[in-house]
Amino acid sequence: AQSVAQPEDQVNVAEGNPLTVKCTYSVSGNPYLFWYVQYPNRGLQFLLKYITGDNLVKGSYGFEAEFNKSQTSFHLKKPSALVSDSALYFCAVRDRGSSASKIIFGSGTRLSIRP
Amino acid sequence: DGGITQSPKYLFRKEGQNVTLSCEQNLNHDAMYWYRQDPGQGLRLIYYSQIVNDFQKGDIAEGYSVSREKKESFPLTVTSAQKNPTAFYLCASSIGASGTEAFFGQGTRLTVV
Repeated sequence: AQSVAQPEDQVNVAEGNPLTVKCTYSVSGNPYLFWYVQYPNRGLQFLLKYITGDNLVKGSYGFEAEFNKSQTSFHLKKPSALVSDSALYFCAVRDRGSSASKIIFGSGTRLSIRP
Repeated sequence: DGGITQSPKYLFRKEGQNVTLSCEQNLNHDAMYWYRQDPGQGLRLIYYSQIVNDFQKGDIAEGYSVSREKKESFPLTVTSAQKNPTAFYLCASSIGASGTEAFFGQGTRLTVV
């Protein structure tokens, strides 16, 4: 069965500092991996995805994520945080197998950037 | 203007009543999803559909029902059997069984009164 773990409920970072939001996954085969962001009372917005190829994926708003197969991780990163990055972030996984349409999300990590 | 439309944005239900949440997409996507969001629990999959006239249970299907009679529409009914229905409900769609991302609607907040 697919699963996603986001071990931190909240991450606090000072503006201008680098940020990392952690994600680990479990699937039976090779995964598709995604990061989304959610602002209050809104739907989720897609940030980036890993399909294949380069382990470092670049996405929207200066975010990037690194796929690490041996550690089954897909951590979200940004070199310099902005106050406007404060939001709820979700990692998601999709199996490449027979249940490929099924997308499972983590519990979310609230990112708080202080000025 | 393409996208996913969920309606209504806010919904109030009396205990013991069934209620149906609407989800429509004009993206020509094959797959559609319903998720429930509760504070601190992230998104949990209720039902998903890979193609018209087919759908599968997700992790928390009890007390919910869906239909997929048209490609564009995937309504969710919250039945009286759902004991704790107050939550934020999110509908999403994606092209299909591939590495494509899902696109989300703006959500429906359901409150039992």
